[in-house]
Amino acid sequence: GAGVSQSPRYKVAKRGQDVALRCDPISGHVSLFWYQQALGQGPEFLTYFQNEAQLDKSGLPSDRFFAERPEGSVSTLKIQRTQQEDSAVYLCASSAREGNTEAFFGQGTRLTVV
Amino acid sequence: LAKTTQPISMDSYEGQEVNITCSHNNIATNDYITWYQQFPSQGPRFIIQGYKTKVTNEVASLFIPADRKSSTLSLPRVSLSDTAVYYCLVGDTGTASKLTFGTGTRLQVTL
Repeated sequence: GAGVSQSPRYKVAKRGQDVALRCDPISGHVSLFWYQQALGQGPEFLTYFQNEAQLDKSGLPSDRFFAERPEGSVSTLKIQRTQQEDSAVYLCASSAREGNTEAFFGQGTRLTVV
Repeated sequence: LAKTTQPISMDSYEGQEVNITCSHNNIATNDYITWYQQFPSQGPRFIIQGYKTKVTNEVASLFIPADRKSSTLSLPRVSLSDTAVYYCLVGDTGTASKLTFGTGTRLQVTL
């Protein structure tokens, strides 16, 4: 596709449910990032992949958060046993080279935990 | 990563030039300065990146003084569609490093 695609755009989950958020990066992009953005705040880093390798997961807030990119393209962010504080927009970004030279962001998935 | 400080908000009239300054006193030798723009309900969009002096593209200019402790994003002749949040980021682009966003500057453009 022409840009980074995220699905679903909106997700409502009951507290305690597991959710899976998908990111389709720009084809051929090496780097993939996940961010969490609370209302009125800037995006907060969650995790970084270089191809299929997860090189940095220092931003994942708890062990309920898990991300994978098994074939170095599509990535999934999974949140287990969702809690209300997990409500946020989850953004995925990709860039053509290592690091963060020019990252292209998707529109995000808005997660609401009720 | 170097911490950045920028104004929380700015107002401008359509057609004016807008300059948003970002302070990054602890910038490291390998760090670049990158600006992103974010509209409501969208992901951030890359605007411009620079290391020193001046960089210009079709959207904006970026001015970086010799000491690199600050930078200024210049938007010429803004329009209503430039209303957005603008983020200044500083980081090493040569290695696998994460983008660190602050709270950004909310620019409001009116007629």
